[in-house]
Amino acid sequence: EVQLVESGGGLVKPGGSLRLSCAASGFSFTNAWMSWVRQAAGKGLEWLGRIKSKSADGAIDYAAALQGRFSISRDDSTNTLFLQMDSLQTEDTAVYYCTTVGLAGSGRDLDYWGQGTLVTVSS
Amino acid sequence: DIQMTQSPSTLSASVGDRVTITCRASQSVGTSLAWYQQNPGKAPKLLIYKASTLETGVPPRFSGSGSGTEFTLTISSLQPDDFATYHCQQHFGRRTFGQGTKVEI
Repeated sequence: EVQLVESGGGLVKPGGSLRLSCAASGFSFTNAWMSWVRQAAGKGLEWLGRIKSKSADGAIDYAAALQGRFSISRDDSTNTLFLQMDSLQTEDTAVYYCTTVGLAGSGRDLDYWGQGTLVTVSS
Repeated sequence: DIQMTQSPSTLSASVGDRVTITCRASQSVGTSLAWYQQNPGKAPKLLIYKASTLETGVPPRFSGSGSGTEFTLTISSLQPDDFATYHCQQHFGRRTFGQGTKVEI
C-alpha cells in the first residue's frame, strides 16, 4: 500500500525558513517522480513543483510563482522527499501535500497523496 | 502557465441528481486532464485521469469527457458520499488546477 507521510510543518515567522519532509513507503521510491502541492484554507490547490527520479535525470521543475524561494530534493536512501522553504511570507500559510506522479505514459499524474502538513506563517 | 477555469464554483444538488462540472483550459491540453475529489479536512483523491479514465475503485456513476480545452465531470446519480469539492488539473504544461467546485446539498 502506498503511504506518504508529511512532517515538519508548524508556526514560523515571516522571513523564516522551514523544511518539510515526506516519508514514502509501499512503492519503489527510487523510480518514482514526486510532487508538492499546497492549499490555503478555503482556497484551491496550487502545484509547487516536481522532481523526477535520478534514473530519469532527476530534473526539478517549479511553479513560476515561487520565485526561487522553494527547493525540492530527495534522499533515495531513506525514501524521503523534501521541500525547503525560505523567505516565507504570510501568503505561504497552507496545508502542504506530497504526491506521487504516475508512471510516464500511463496518463496518470498526481495519483497518491499524503495527509498533508500545516504551515502557518505569522508574527 | 495554462489557466484552468471551473464552473460553477458551488453547486447545490440533491441525492439522485445528475450533476455536471465544467473545466476549461486557456489553451489545448489534449487529454492531459485529471479530476480529484476532496472531502473536508482530507487530501484530494484521484478520480479520473486522461480526461475520461476512471481510477481503480471509483464508482461508474462518475464519468469524464472532453479534450483540448473543454472538459466535463458528470455524476450520473449523486450519492451522499459525493458531496465534496472537485478539482480539475492539467499536466500538459506546468501543472495547474481549477479553482474547485463544491457540491453541496
